[in-house]
Amino acid sequence: EPEVTQTPSHQVTQMGQEVILRCVPISNHLYFYWYRQILGQKVEFLVSFYNNEISEKSEIFDDQFSVERPDGSNFTLKIRSTKLEDSAMYFCASRWTSGSSMHYEQYFGPGTRLTVT
Amino acid sequence: ELKVEQNPLFLSMQEGKNYTIYCNYSTTSDRLYWYRQDPGKSLESLFVLLSNGAVKQEGRLMASLDTKARLSTLHITAAVHDLSATYFCAVDKSGGATNKLIFGTGTLLAVQP
Repeated sequence: EPEVTQTPSHQVTQMGQEVILRCVPISNHLYFYWYRQILGQKVEFLVSFYNNEISEKSEIFDDQFSVERPDGSNFTLKIRSTKLEDSAMYFCASRWTSGSSMHYEQYFGPGTRLTVT
Repeated sequence: ELKVEQNPLFLSMQEGKNYTIYCNYSTTSDRLYWYRQDPGKSLESLFVLLSNGAVKQEGRLMASLDTKARLSTLHITAAVHDLSATYFCAVDKSGGATNKLIFGTGTLLAVQP
């Protein structure tokens, strides 16, 4: 069964460093998302991406964050200068749609745990 | 601003008992989802509810949706220890092509033997 994959599973970085989190969405999915979950809290939407551009972003997604789909398979989230409060689990998700049939269900990857020290 | 609230936040129950988790949301929405999350793990999709009155069942779990009341329930029948996890509801905030998910606060379910 196809699944969303994410690398690395755990990333430790120092405050102020840049990190890139990588995701490989399900093949043929067209919509891509990043969410984050601070330990013990709910899941929060960060950004959605469609047709090679951001379609919506949340207040959390400030100019320290960026997303990119550098090739036909990878979808990345970059944090330019990490802060302590960026420590969280980051989930990538993807969704498929085809023609007039909309499939709304988002499939989540296993997550990357980011620890900023 | 769309808000999604769940209650209870924590539920400790004995095996064999029944209970219901409630999910309220603040504005009209097209779709509601239930996810399960085990500690340190990703989100596993349980149910997708697409219309008013929708009811879906899988094993000991049954989910329903009342769009007029803006309420969804997740009913647990004869709980077993394997159901211990955190359960999230999420509402699909549709707008153009985005369909971002707004999650509830989560319900931590602990089933005691």
